[in-house]
Amino acid sequence: GEEVAQTPKHLVRGEGQKAKLYCAPIKGHSYVFWYQQVLKNEFKFLISFQNENVFDETGMPKERFSAKCLPNSPCSLEIQATKLEDSAVYFCASSQLVPSSGNTIYFGEGSWLTVV
Amino acid sequence: AQSVSQHNHHVILSEAASLELGCNYSYGGTVNLFWYVQYPGQHLQLLLKYFSGDPLVKGIKGFEAEFIKSKFSFNLRKPSVQWSDTAEYFCAVKGFGNEKLTFGTGTRLTIIP
Repeated sequence: GEEVAQTPKHLVRGEGQKAKLYCAPIKGHSYVFWYQQVLKNEFKFLISFQNENVFDETGMPKERFSAKCLPNSPCSLEIQATKLEDSAVYFCASSQLVPSSGNTIYFGEGSWLTVV
Repeated sequence: AQSVSQHNHHVILSEAASLELGCNYSYGGTVNLFWYVQYPGQHLQLLLKYFSGDPLVKGIKGFEAEFIKSKFSFNLRKPSVQWSDTAEYFCAVKGFGNEKLTFGTGTRLTIIP
């Protein structure tokens, strides 16, 4: 597709429940990024993939958060045992080849997670 | 580590006023710089980007930004704003060879008709 597709758009979970978000990058893009935006402010980098391999996971909380990008499947971000502070909009982004060469990172519309 | 500062948290202007939003970054090497806009309820859209060459870059919707290396700045400008420019504006930096974007905290722009 020509856009980064994220599902679901909205997700409500009770504290302690699992949340799973999905992202289909733009066709042909080999890099995928996940960002967390809390309260419409700062974008926090979580993790990036080069194809199905983790490229940079320095932003991922060590506990409860995991992500995968498997061949022929949407990428996923999973939060085990959600907490109130996980409430945020989670943005997925993708880029073609190596962003340092000048390629732009395109963002999806985001998945709004509310933990109650 | 790379970082971005946007000192204007909320800017309110009347239509037709000129706009300049500040962006300063911190990074020791070559950088790629971006401005993204987020309209209410929507996702991030790229306004413009600087990778190399002419430090004055022009983007969509009449926006432009100037990369001043000596000041570590990449300020966004528009000569005459419109009500439809009301949105949140994010400056972002990517160090060369580092594939992740680091965002500033954003500037909310409100245009009064």
